[in-house]
Amino acid sequence: SQTIHQWPATLVQPVGSPLSLECTVEGTSNPNLYWYRQAAGRGLQLLFYSVGIGQISSEVPQNLSASRPQDRQFILSSKKLLLSDSGFYLCAWSPGGDGEQYFGPGTRLTVT
Amino acid sequence: SQQGEEDPQALSIQEGENATMNCSYKTSINNLQWYRQNSGRGLVHLILIRSNEREKHSGRLRVTLDTSKKSSSLLITASRAADTASYFCAEQGAQKLVFGQGTRLTINP
Repeated sequence: SQTIHQWPATLVQPVGSPLSLECTVEGTSNPNLYWYRQAAGRGLQLLFYSVGIGQISSEVPQNLSASRPQDRQFILSSKKLLLSDSGFYLCAWSPGGDGEQYFGPGTRLTVT
Repeated sequence: SQQGEEDPQALSIQEGENATMNCSYKTSINNLQWYRQNSGRGLVHLILIRSNEREKHSGRLRVTLDTSKKSSSLLITASRAADTASYFCAEQGAQKLVFGQGTRLTINP
């Protein structure tokens, strides 16, 4: 069966520090991968998605970047965090572009 | 913004009652999906309804879709305390989902 992992679960970082969040999927190959951010009590905002290694689509201009160095690995990064980067970051995968998505447990990021 | 809207934003009912949540969307869709999120957790897929379908059932869940009105509804029958969660609709576009703001459902014992 397929599983999706995210780490860390929680993170507290000072403003101006770098960020690296990792997401890995097991039990499938060539998944579509997604990064979302969720503000408290709000819906999900799509940040990046990838349909293959090295293929990244950015949805919102911002302080973040994404990379997909391996088929089942998706990384969200920032060189210098802003207070507004605080939120709940969710990684998801889907077997194709037109079906249900499967979400990881999320990372709670607090920028202080 | 392409985000749709959900109504109501919050709903509180007694255990055993039915809960209905509504979703309006803005674009032409391939399908519309509903997800549940327990507090502080990831989302769980509940049901997918395609643009050529009008109604779909899964256990105690019933979803309807009206493409002429660009709207969908999720009905949870015979609610249980464990149904307490946030519920999101998501419209399927090309390669990506656009989520609504969600309905916070509370089931009171």
